[in-house]
Amino acid sequence: GAVVSQHPSRVICKSGTSVKIECRSLDFQATTMFWYRQFPKQSLMLMATSNEGSKATYEQGVEKDKFLINHASLTLSTLTVTSAHPEDSSFYICSARDVQGSPEAFFGQGTRLTVV
Amino acid sequence: GDSVTQMEGPVTLSEEAFLTINCTYTATGYPSLFWYVQYPGEGLQLLLKATKADDKGSNKGFEATYRKETTSFHLEKGSVQVSDSAVYFCALSDEASGGSYIPTFGRGTSLIVHP
Repeated sequence: GAVVSQHPSRVICKSGTSVKIECRSLDFQATTMFWYRQFPKQSLMLMATSNEGSKATYEQGVEKDKFLINHASLTLSTLTVTSAHPEDSSFYICSARDVQGSPEAFFGQGTRLTVV
Repeated sequence: GDSVTQMEGPVTLSEEAFLTINCTYTATGYPSLFWYVQYPGEGLQLLLKATKADDKGSNKGFEATYRKETTSFHLEKGSVQVSDSAVYFCALSDEASGGSYIPTFGRGTSLIVHP
């Protein structure tokens, strides 16, 4: 089956620093990737949708300058949390859709970000 | 817009009990329906899917049938195990909503299975 690899799985950083999270589709090409944020015991909150080679579409309330998304190739999207603060601590999950057009999205393992 | 409603948890069962997690949806088009499972500290895994009415998705003893007339996709398992303890998300993707198949998720239902 389709595999999405997300890295790192855990990261601890200091306030004010930036953190980059990578999302790779390993055995398929992904035209569209999604970035989610999940708070404890809550559902997924869609942050943005990125299409290869174009700017990401951010959901209402998500700061574009704080959460930088780049989808430079059909197999890689990155989320950079800039000038991180403790309130950015969360579980971030990416997912990707196959360019062949199948409707399901495949998910990465998630990244636990802790800002101290 | 599209939406997914699933029963609130947690659902607590004893091992070998029958499981039902209800899920209903609203959609502008003809969506595909999914159940995903999330184990603690991990991302989501696709559990099963159905792409058209009356389709039954099944995997690992779990089943769900796409019921267009009742707009439902209830998840069932005849005999749960402790290892099934996880959070289950019902979801849909609908090309009619912009063509990008952005998945719409329910809030998740936590399942706890006791030995």
